[in-house]
Amino acid sequence: QQQVKQSPQSLIVQKGGISIINCAYENTAFDYFPWYQQFPGKGPALLIAIRPDVSEKKEGRFTISFNKSAKQFSLHIMDSQPGDSATYFCAASYNNDMRFGAGTRLTVKP
Amino acid sequence: ETGVTQSPTHLIKTRGQQVTLRCSSQSGHNTVSWYQQALGQGPQFIFQYYREEENGRGNFPPRFSGLQFPNYSSELNVNALELDDSALYLCASSSDYGYTFGSGTRLTVV
Repeated sequence: QQQVKQSPQSLIVQKGGISIINCAYENTAFDYFPWYQQFPGKGPALLIAIRPDVSEKKEGRFTISFNKSAKQFSLHIMDSQPGDSATYFCAASYNNDMRFGAGTRLTVKP
Repeated sequence: ETGVTQSPTHLIKTRGQQVTLRCSSQSGHNTVSWYQQALGQGPQFIFQYYREEENGRGNFPPRFSGLQFPNYSSELNVNALELDDSALYLCASSSDYGYTFGSGTRLTVV
């Protein structure tokens, strides 16, 4: 049922390092690509999102890179902090129908 | 602070029983979606309601059903509970392409 494939499943990064999470999709009808952050016991919270008419979007330490021809997009977290330790989900949406990747558990070591 | 409230937060049911989960969406958000999130997995799309009508459904059997009410609240009903139904159930309200998730209901079927 997964229409969005996400990797890696888990990631360990040192404080100050760069965290990179990748996603790929098949359905070219998708036109909105958000990333969600989820802490234990909480629902996913929108982190940053991009539409396919741009190749990159940056908000603070978070950057989405989007490659429409390859049907891939990625999240880069610069200067990763222990507080960034959470599970990250990419998603793809068309007409308010949103599908999620399986998630990446990020651990940032102090 | 999320504008989507789910109740109850935790629930334990016996196999074969029926359960109703509730969600109170943000005012003005006409679309509500329900997701099932198994432990360590990404959210799986159950169904979506728009203006009180079902507007899309994922790969879930008919024993998963829902309702949306004019006051932006909604329900997820699951009949004949199975052990595999144990999961976090998330409600998300949206307008345009923005999804706001509740904190979820943790359902345990024993």
